[in-house]
Amino acid sequence: NAGVTQTPKFRVLKTGQSMTLLCAQDMNHEYMYWYRQDPGMGLRLIHYSVGEGTTAKGEVPDGYNVSRLKKQNFLLGLESAAPSQTSVYFCATARDGTDTQYFGPGTRLTVL
Amino acid sequence: DQQVKQNSPSLSVQEGRISILNCDYTNSMFDYFLWYKKYPAEGPTFLISISSIKDKNEDGRFTVFLNKSAKHLSLHIVPSQPGDSAVYFCAASEEGAQKLVFGQGTRLTINP
Repeated sequence: NAGVTQTPKFRVLKTGQSMTLLCAQDMNHEYMYWYRQDPGMGLRLIHYSVGEGTTAKGEVPDGYNVSRLKKQNFLLGLESAAPSQTSVYFCATARDGTDTQYFGPGTRLTVL
Repeated sequence: DQQVKQNSPSLSVQEGRISILNCDYTNSMFDYFLWYKKYPAEGPTFLISISSIKDKNEDGRFTVFLNKSAKHLSLHIVPSQPGDSAVYFCAASEEGAQKLVFGQGTRLTINP
């Protein structure tokens, strides 16, 4: 029972490169979220999904895309990375939108 | 528009004393509140929650107080221990919401 896992744990990109972050959960939760955490900014919601095949924009969606093809996976894509996307990215899952969220360990991304 | 605010970016408390972390909110429709704790290089973990029908909830050394008229909640940690040193986030939700709203976080340091 792994809970919420994130792949990779660390990544360094050059400006303009693309990459995909994977979030996987074995909790059978419907809701999944992608956040970024920056110093002094708290947790900012990028995109979220309320079920398989659905996605919605959060607070800071620009420059990111997401997909939820399977209930257990939520992918976050950066098509053309920018230094402003240097951050720590967290995935979270929940039974519903008002319930406790369970977070993954995070992915530290640096864009040079 | 910051609906959930933690106005103290940091707090330093001596071991054994009480730690009080504060959180203010502006949305009167919020009816469920949570506190999360985050250690460096880890994802946030759920700590304690409170429903708006209560004004206090206790779990061991941790107590959350809710003052609905002031739109204010606080987390009390008694007695504070070195392992409590972390960043604490408060979060809120309203009925039917699809996501939580997080504050910016407060870094708590417990000094021996």
